[in-house]
Amino acid sequence: EAQVTQNPRYLITVTGKKLTVTCSQNMNHEYMSWYRQDPGLGLRQIYYSMNVEVTDKGDVPEGYKVSRKEKRNFPLILESPSPNQTSLYFCASSQNANTEAFFGQGTRLTVV
Amino acid sequence: GQNIDQPTEMTATEGAIVQINCTYQTSGFNGLFWYQQHAGEAPTFLSYNVLDGLEEKGRFSSFLSRSKGYSYLLLKELQMKDSASYLCSSANDYKLSFGAGTTVTVRA
Repeated sequence: EAQVTQNPRYLITVTGKKLTVTCSQNMNHEYMSWYRQDPGLGLRQIYYSMNVEVTDKGDVPEGYKVSRKEKRNFPLILESPSPNQTSLYFCASSQNANTEAFFGQGTRLTVV
Repeated sequence: GQNIDQPTEMTATEGAIVQINCTYQTSGFNGLFWYQQHAGEAPTFLSYNVLDGLEEKGRFSSFLSRSKGYSYLLLKELQMKDSASYLCSSANDYKLSFGAGTTVTVRA
């Protein structure tokens, strides 16, 4: 089954404790991206990747890192999480930026 | 990011038609997407327009005017299950931007 898998689905952590949210897709897609979704603000792109070893900043990259060492995986790293990073996070993949995106089920992160 | 504007909420009756408008910035524009998102779930793809005109897909249609930076999503024969948030998204260069979403409530 074609899918994008994110883990964990829910996470509560403390300020400053490094964390990684994993994202994996099985569709051989080249384009992957991370979003955060906050009430009233909609989905905002954090980082995107056009292919292996090619990543670039979206609209809200501060406080986040990503890597794309393999085509299927695109982890999101928060080196020192802060409470303003409490949000619902989605990973998505598509063949390229101009084709249908498939979203993971979301990760609800709370930073206290 | 690219400024995308869409109404916050719309309410309609079962069986009716609703049109959700979206305006976006045209700089580096590569295409316009519409996604549906039910509460507590991930967005799912509805439509993609890159050329001017109307694309029809069953009960849902999407329209694009590139020169005006304008799109709309038309939902016909509304059903209760169409109650959801509808997200307008523009592809500009390699980045994707989303509007805040329009919450559609379908009443019996």
